[in-house]
Amino acid sequence: QAVVTQEPSLTVSPGGTVTLTCGSSTGAVTSGHYPYWFQQRPGQAPRTLISDTTNKHSWTPARFSGSLLGGKAVLTLSGAQPEDEAEYYCSLSYSGAVVFGGGTRLTVL
Amino acid sequence: EVQLVESGGGLVQPGGSLRLSCAASGFTFNTYWMHWVRQAPGKGLVWVSRIKSDGSTTIYADSMKGRFTISRDNAKNTLYLQMNSLRVEDTAVYYCGTFYYWGQGVLVTVSS
Repeated sequence: QAVVTQEPSLTVSPGGTVTLTCGSSTGAVTSGHYPYWFQQRPGQAPRTLISDTTNKHSWTPARFSGSLLGGKAVLTLSGAQPEDEAEYYCSLSYSGAVVFGGGTRLTVL
Repeated sequence: EVQLVESGGGLVQPGGSLRLSCAASGFTFNTYWMHWVRQAPGKGLVWVSRIKSDGSTTIYADSMKGRFTISRDNAKNTLYLQMNSLRVEDTAVYYCGTFYYWGQGVLVTVSS
């Protein structure tokens, strides 16, 4: 089974920009892995921020965006807010089977 | 309003069985792939299984194959997860979802 890697933790200043990455043990991440990004606050269910690499949902704040860069899926947060402090997970699809990354704990400080 | 409500969790002994249900409303259930995802206490998300909109295709995480069975009843807008031969390490909150929408989760505790 493939392993999906994320930074264990990152810190961003309020109003700052931070990039979270999502890599695959099998090689470069492509749109064919259908990367998703999820936000999870303590005690809450996950919330989908980005689907299929770049697609936002009606509830996704405009400051979040998804892309592919350097063989990885990337979640960019521009203009961090205190409420963005949370755990962020990515997922990749491998012929229909899904693997989550270990999560990135984002601190806004 | 989209709603996904899981039920059927609880305390079960190792080796036991449990069937989780996920009642869906507010969207066209029979057009979506549905998933189960779990999260052990203090740990990350782990994908469990998915089932195609018409129930014709199911896919499982390697560690769940043979013990877990996903199914759906589109007439009842309900997703199921039959879990057999449960182990202590299956203790987790189990979430159902479309990967766009998620339920609030149900706790399964496997303990003697």
